[in-house]
Amino acid sequence: DGGITQSPKYLFRKEGQNVTLSCEQNLNHDAMYWYRQDPGQGLRLIYYSQIVNDFQKGDIAEGYSVSREKKESFPLTVTSAQKNPTAFYLCASSLGLAGGQRQETQYFGPGTRLLVL
Amino acid sequence: AQSVTQLDSQVPVFEEAPVELRCNYSSSVSVYLFWYVQYPNQGLQLLLKYLSGSTLVKGINGFEAEFNKSQTSFHLRKPSVHISDTAEYFCAVKGNTPLVFGKGTRLSVIA
Repeated sequence: DGGITQSPKYLFRKEGQNVTLSCEQNLNHDAMYWYRQDPGQGLRLIYYSQIVNDFQKGDIAEGYSVSREKKESFPLTVTSAQKNPTAFYLCASSLGLAGGQRQETQYFGPGTRLLVL
Repeated sequence: AQSVTQLDSQVPVFEEAPVELRCNYSSSVSVYLFWYVQYPNQGLQLLLKYLSGSTLVKGINGFEAEFNKSQTSFHLRKPSVHISDTAEYFCAVKGNTPLVFGKGTRLSVIA
């Protein structure tokens, strides 16, 4: 089955702790994205990557970090600098620059809910 | 930069009645437009998209949307809703910046 997997489904963070959310895709997509969803806020872009070993900040990157060492994987670290991390985090992927018009269609994983203890 | 406004945060509708969820966008460049659906505690699923060509776009689950460039709108419609359509719906626009999402419309179908 092709798709995007996110783990864990639920994650708990203690004060001052960094936590890492996993995102893996087997769709052979070049581009990957991380969004944060809060009630009534829609989705806000944290980071995105168009190609391996390259990524750009989105609208709310402060307190987060990412890496893109492999095409299939785009982990997100929520650092202790993120003072309000409680949210639903969604990972997505798309074909990327090689896909023409189709590059713009993003496909989403099931999400990870992060809660603060 | 692009922006999206979903004009209704909540829409209640009776089962088998028609529904329209409204979406307006602003952009100084050509855009691609999308509607996604989200069921509780799940990711987003693509309903339909407008990339080019016919302005009337048909999607999954009987939904359709019409791209109106002069009114900068991309409203989502379904002629007869089911209980299973209860969910949150997001409109999104892509221009020359990354995809921008609206704040969502919660559709509640009443039996």
